[in-house]
Amino acid sequence: DIVMTQSPDSLAVSLGERATINCKSSQSVLHSSNKKNYLGWYQQKPRQPPKLLIYWASTRESGVPDRFSGSGSGTDFTLTISSLQAEDVAVYYCHQYYDIPFTFGPGTKVDIK
Amino acid sequence: EVQLVESGGGLVQPGGSLRLSCAASGFTFSTYWMIWVRQAPGKGLEWVANIKQDGSEKHYVDSVKGRFTISRDNAQNSLYLQMNSLRAEDTAVYYCAFGREDSTYTFLKYWGQGTLVTVSS
Repeated sequence: DIVMTQSPDSLAVSLGERATINCKSSQSVLHSSNKKNYLGWYQQKPRQPPKLLIYWASTRESGVPDRFSGSGSGTDFTLTISSLQAEDVAVYYCHQYYDIPFTFGPGTKVDIK
Repeated sequence: EVQLVESGGGLVQPGGSLRLSCAASGFTFSTYWMIWVRQAPGKGLEWVANIKQDGSEKHYVDSVKGRFTISRDNAQNSLYLQMNSLRAEDTAVYYCAFGREDSTYTFLKYWGQGTLVTVSS
């Protein structure tokens, strides 16, 4: 199974400042045939289901504010919130859909400092 | 509007059984792989199982193999999860979800609100 790790476990950022979350997979999730990274990012707020933010490692889902961006390839990925807003307080998960069983990272909790 | 509505959760004793349902609407259910994901209280997300459009292919996480069965009824636009030999560690909110059309290997674009399963004596 592909193991997903995230760092940090939690972070507190001032409003308007940048938040950076890292995700690492135990093996590459870059598909050689189409050069796509099978990596997604989700945001989950309390008592809500996860919400897809980013797929293919860097493609922003429709309706997601452009302050959210994803980067990386192979085994190392980053989710960046360029200017943290109050409504961004949530837990963020990375997710590999390259190989079954699909697996999620343990989550990173983002708070306001 | 896409809707996924899970039901069937509740309190069950260890060793017991439960059948979850997910009613789908607002999209062509029969053209998507469907997925169950669970989340234990205060914990992260765990992919549980998925099923091909016609039900001919299914995959499970190791921890539920032999105990859980995923199925679907395309005529009823419904997804199911039969859970047998339940354990305390199966306690979780269970979500149904789906992503890209016609693709096994997909991110999860749509999620239901989830149904809580509690396994306890």
